Amino acid sequence: SQQGEEDPQALSIQEGENATMNCSYKTSINNLQWYRQNSGRGLVHLILIRSNEREKHSGRLRVTLDTSKKSSSLLITASRAADTASYFCATDAPTSGSRLTFGEGTQLTVNP
Amino acid sequence: DAGITQSPRHKVTETGTPVTLRCHQTENHRYMYWYRQDPGHGLRLIHYSYGVKDTDKGEVSDGYSVSRSKTEDFLLTLESATSSQTSVYFCAISESRAGGLGNYGYTFGSGTRLTVV
Repeated sequence: SQQGEEDPQALSIQEGENATMNCSYKTSINNLQWYRQNSGRGLVHLILIRSNEREKHSGRLRVTLDTSKKSSSLLITASRAADTASYFCATDAPTSGSRLTFGEGTQLTVNP
Repeated sequence: DAGITQSPRHKVTETGTPVTLRCHQTENHRYMYWYRQDPGHGLRLIHYSYGVKDTDKGEVSDGYSVSRSKTEDFLLTLESATSSQTSVYFCAISESRAGGLGNYGYTFGSGTRLTVV
């Protein structure tokens, strides 16, 4: 069963706008990660946030984590056409052993 | 994807035949994983390895076996391919358990698109 669920399933915005994607999960976690997948390619790790962190930044990416609500959000600011991809959250939970559990992803389309 | 390669990139095979997919890494990472990606299911873990000859099952391991005789190679075998195993298969590696000791997550290969006819 999937641990993380992304919302929305699909998002279409204009270049320059901000994109926000959400992830909810079911059990307590050690950390939560976000990945990007371009069409026909493998996933690329974007950012990792630990359970004792509330916010993290990397370039145009901002990730928040609310462990009380078991949710995370990924914000991409000033989006570009090259940001068009699927975005996945993945959780490392104490019960999952040496592995991540991925959600089904959000398909982001940035229109030029 | 630097440091990890999958072969073949594409394969078409017939139902009932055995198929082996290969994942090769040059990063000397301890952990290796095989996932399958299907529409509506995201990525699901098939098998993983936490060292040479140390492997364990994931959530969708039926019909699959793995072997890891060297640090750098992790093989996934479909013992008798079925149409339900048509999918895109991804290998991933990590230096530490789920990225827990650093800020690094998994590094993924480019995938193998397998079609079983």
